[in-house]
Amino acid sequence: EDKVVQSPLSLVVHEGDTVTLNCSYEVTNFRSLLWYKQEKKAPTFLFMLTSSGIEKKSGRLSSILDKKELFSILNITATQTGDSAVYLCAVEYSGGGADGLTFGKGTHLIIQP
Amino acid sequence: NAGVTQTPKFQVLKTGQSMTLQCAQDMNHEYMSWYRQDPGMGLRLIHYSVGAGITDQGEVPNGYNVSRSTTEDFPLRLLSAAPSQTSVYFCASSYGGHQETQYFGPGTRLLVL
Repeated sequence: EDKVVQSPLSLVVHEGDTVTLNCSYEVTNFRSLLWYKQEKKAPTFLFMLTSSGIEKKSGRLSSILDKKELFSILNITATQTGDSAVYLCAVEYSGGGADGLTFGKGTHLIIQP
Repeated sequence: NAGVTQTPKFQVLKTGQSMTLQCAQDMNHEYMSWYRQDPGMGLRLIHYSVGAGITDQGEVPNGYNVSRSTTEDFPLRLLSAAPSQTSVYFCASSYGGHQETQYFGPGTRLLVL
């Protein structure tokens, strides 16, 4: 079963729209949740969230974590064509013998001019 | 700094052939990891290393070997390539296990016929 589930899997909007991407997780010994943006190459880091209810913001992007309900959202306001990418959510947790990140399948976001 | 480098960028193998994907970083990072990315699957951890001489298995280690003889290098070996190993492989490194500062290489696209 998937430990990290992202929705929607794909999304097409027009430039200027606001989008909300979702990430839910089901792990024990949660450490942190991370958001990455992936264009044609390697993922680039956006946010790391460890505490509930504290919004992280960078320009038009913001993200918040709800540790009680086990989910996070990534908001992008006033979208631009350059925001088109796959957005990956990853969860770091201890135990299970694997030290690393477990990724969701990603949300493929397309911004139309 | 070159960051994280990977070679080759693209490789075609026949079933049963062996090869080594190279990964190097010049940031003196202790943690290095290998991921594979398949369509619709997100990134999955293959192997990771917390320092020179120490490696461990991730989520999908079967068919792959790693070694970490130096801090800088973390090669991934395919012992007997199979079509199921067709994927894009990303190497990543971070300082002290802090996932926020994880840097990804540009990726190696592998096709196994």
